[in-house]
Amino acid sequence: DAKTTQPPSMDCAEGRAANLPCNHSTISGNEYVYWYRQIHSQGPQYIIHGLKNNETNEMASLIITEDRKSSTLILPHATLRDTAVYYCIVRVQGAISNFGNEKLTFGTGTRLTIIP
Amino acid sequence: EPEVTQTPSHQVTQMGQEVILRCVPISNHLYFYWYRQILGQKVEFLVSFYNNEISEKSEIFDDQFSVERPDGSNFTLKIRSTKLEDSAMYFCASSPTGPLDSGNTIYFGEGSWLTVV
Repeated sequence: DAKTTQPPSMDCAEGRAANLPCNHSTISGNEYVYWYRQIHSQGPQYIIHGLKNNETNEMASLIITEDRKSSTLILPHATLRDTAVYYCIVRVQGAISNFGNEKLTFGTGTRLTIIP
Repeated sequence: EPEVTQTPSHQVTQMGQEVILRCVPISNHLYFYWYRQILGQKVEFLVSFYNNEISEKSEIFDDQFSVERPDGSNFTLKIRSTKLEDSAMYFCASSPTGPLDSGNTIYFGEGSWLTVV
């Protein structure tokens, strides 16, 4: 799986949009971008994923650049409960040859702190 | 919303003892996983399991570890002869399909904290 680079930490004011960047310059055509977060020591929580189109769900939006070498996770109205470590992960899917490579590889993520 | 449930939430065991961590994956999910996180470190993949056999395992998952799906609902991780360095949070996870499906997403449980003393 391609490697990702994220800033180690970020702050965001409560109520503002939190924009978390991720670089994945070596991503290949069949690799998806996944975002998870981990609040304190809880289990990683799935947020959103995408291949090349922008995606939005009830939690967040995912913007992927046209060349797919970077992406941004947007939490539109951050609350104190969004304080967590956010992980950007790229993962191969959709290829028979990758059967058995289902795992997610976590990096160190971005520690997002929402400031009251 | 369906969720992955894990028991126990916390277990303290003596070095050398065997431990079984239990998980109930989301109903109708087909792929199952164990991850662990040593305090202050990254979440690490241990093993994936599909169709009653291991589909992938990491270097961490040596002969000390084993997994089993003893019935239609439970998925267990057994750690034999525990060591101090096995102290960690162990996360079970499941996904509805495998890597052939672009919509595949892995969902995690809240973890079992294992302390080896």
